Amino acid sequence: DIQMTQSPSSLSASVGDRVTITCRASQSISTYLNWYQQKPGKAPKLLIYAASSLQGGVPSRFSGSGSGTDFTLTISSLQPEDFATYYCQQSHRARSFGQGTKVEIK
Amino acid sequence: EVQLVESGGGLVQPGGSLRLSCAVSGFTVSSNYMSWVRQAPGKGLEWVSVIYSGGSTYYADSVKGRFIISRDNSKNTLYLQMNSLRAEDTAVYYCATMTLLTGTDYFDYWGQGTLVTVSS
Repeated sequence: DIQMTQSPSSLSASVGDRVTITCRASQSISTYLNWYQQKPGKAPKLLIYAASSLQGGVPSRFSGSGSGTDFTLTISSLQPEDFATYYCQQSHRARSFGQGTKVEIK
Repeated sequence: EVQLVESGGGLVQPGGSLRLSCAVSGFTVSSNYMSWVRQAPGKGLEWVSVIYSGGSTYYADSVKGRFIISRDNSKNTLYLQMNSLRAEDTAVYYCATMTLLTGTDYFDYWGQGTLVTVSS
């Protein structure tokens, strides 16, 4: 099985901050990496697919990068509606998610 | 507009069975990949199972041999038959559509989830 490890598990940030979340795969997954945002009581929402492609309707302040085993989700200027939990997910072999990163208000 | 509506969750005793349904509109279940993803209370997301357009099925190790994913093409509905349930299967279960790219895929539309509680 491919294990996905996110860091940090949680972070506190202010509106306008640049936020970076990392995701590491236990083996190479090429660019088969997706990012989701989840708010309490809601289903996850796709943000980024194939490591760096922005899903339609997602604000351009979200971006993704990486390949192989190391990936990054960046929010260039944090907005109030971005406080949520973020998950990476690999689709190279079976499917699996990272443990999540909770972004909280500072 | 794609809509997914799960049903069938509830309270079940350990060792019991439950069948979840996911009624889909705006998306053809039989022509696409579909998955179940679960989330234990206060925990992260866990992929459970996928059914491919050709009918092949795959499962997470944690449910292999106990859960069965299937679909009814005439009803455009996805199912998850859950047997030999354990306390650790307690979770909100989401169904999700999947979009395929060359060599990869992602979950794009999700239902609202249905809660399964396994407890005596």
